[in-house]
Amino acid sequence: GAVVSQHPSWVICKSGTSVKIECRSLDFQATTMFWYRQFPKQSLMLMATSNEGSKATYEQGVEKDKFLINHASLTLSTLTVTSAHPEDSSFYICSARDGGQDSNQPQHFGDGTRLSIL
Amino acid sequence: GNSVTQMEGPVTLSEEAFLTINCTYTATGYPSLFWYVQYPGEGLQLLLKATKADDKGSNKGFEATYRKETTSFHLEKGSVQVSDSAVYFCALRPRAGTALIFGKGTTLSVSS
Repeated sequence: GAVVSQHPSWVICKSGTSVKIECRSLDFQATTMFWYRQFPKQSLMLMATSNEGSKATYEQGVEKDKFLINHASLTLSTLTVTSAHPEDSSFYICSARDGGQDSNQPQHFGDGTRLSIL
Repeated sequence: GNSVTQMEGPVTLSEEAFLTINCTYTATGYPSLFWYVQYPGEGLQLLLKATKADDKGSNKGFEATYRKETTSFHLEKGSVQVSDSAVYFCALRPRAGTALIFGKGTTLSVSS
């Protein structure tokens, strides 16, 4: 089946640093990737949608300058949390899908990245 | 707007018990509906889906029927196993091409 690899799985860093999270589709071309954030006992909140080669579309309330998304190839998207602060601590999950922008193909998920900012 | 509401957990059952996890949704148009499962230490996996009213999705003994009249997509299994212990997420896709919208998840714990 389709595999999405997310790295790192866990990162701890000091306040003020920037953290990059990678999301790779291993056996399919991910035309579209999604980034979610999950708080404890809460649902997955969609942060942004990125299509390969285009700028990401951010959901309302998500700071695009804080959460930089790059989707430069059909197999890799990155999320960079810039100048991270303790309130950015969370579980971040990427998801990838093949097909075009109107595709009805299923979304495949990475295992998530737990980010802890001290 | 679009949203998904699923029953609060945790749900604790004995092996071979009947399982129901309720899920209702709010959406404009005709969304597709999904159940995802997250086993401990793993990512979300698609369990089953239904794309139109009255469709029944099924997989690994789990079933859910798309009920437009009650805007529901309840997950059921006739006899749960310890290996079914996981977090279950109900989700909808408002239309083709859009991202999934998730409920809060329900933790299922099955004991032998």
